[in-house]
Amino acid sequence: NAGVTQTPKFQVLKTGQSMTLQCAQDMNHEYMSWYRQDPGMGLRLIHYSVGAGITDQGEVPNGYNVSRSTTEDFPLRLLSAAPSQTSVYFCASSRGGSPLHFGNGTRLTVT
Amino acid sequence: KQEVTQIPAALSVPEGENLVLNCSFTDSAIYNLQWFRQDPGKGLTSLLLIQSSQREQTSGRLNASLDKSSGRSTLYIAASQPGDSATYLCAVENYGQNFVFGPGTRLSVLP
Repeated sequence: NAGVTQTPKFQVLKTGQSMTLQCAQDMNHEYMSWYRQDPGMGLRLIHYSVGAGITDQGEVPNGYNVSRSTTEDFPLRLLSAAPSQTSVYFCASSRGGSPLHFGNGTRLTVT
Repeated sequence: KQEVTQIPAALSVPEGENLVLNCSFTDSAIYNLQWFRQDPGKGLTSLLLIQSSQREQTSGRLNASLDKSSGRSTLYIAASQPGDSATYLCAVENYGQNFVFGPGTRLSVLP
């Protein structure tokens, strides 16, 4: 099993550009989520999904969109990147009551 | 709103010492609590998961306890080793699969 796979590992964007961060898991987990990690702020939940076709907002959803068309994939879209979105982004998945599995992260810089 | 804090923020100990990391949360209506390890530039790895009905979990040299009524958890690391150096985060899972993370404790174990 590959676990949780995130691509790309690094990305540099200019202000106003759009991009999609990819996340895929092969563990048949119904729960998937996106976090951003910033120095001094810890991990903050952006969006999450409890199953295909179901998404919900977390603590810091503004500027980000998600969709969940399949159990395996949960992409995160930045429609118009801003410098405040410079961060490390983590995708995670789990089955109810089981440990949360994380990808290795995407380091995003917006200039 | 659930808030999670961790004490201390950083800890430096000589190899071989036993140590305790603390995690506190404000809302006791949790589904479970997890402890994670994060190495620099990497994702989070789950160490222990304690269900809300449990008091403790053990894995090798690690022991985690949970006192839900007082909103506290401790991670005990026995006979620390330089390879234990990392950031340790706790996270509570609220009902609805909403995870809230603490800011982490940065541990350095000196040889």
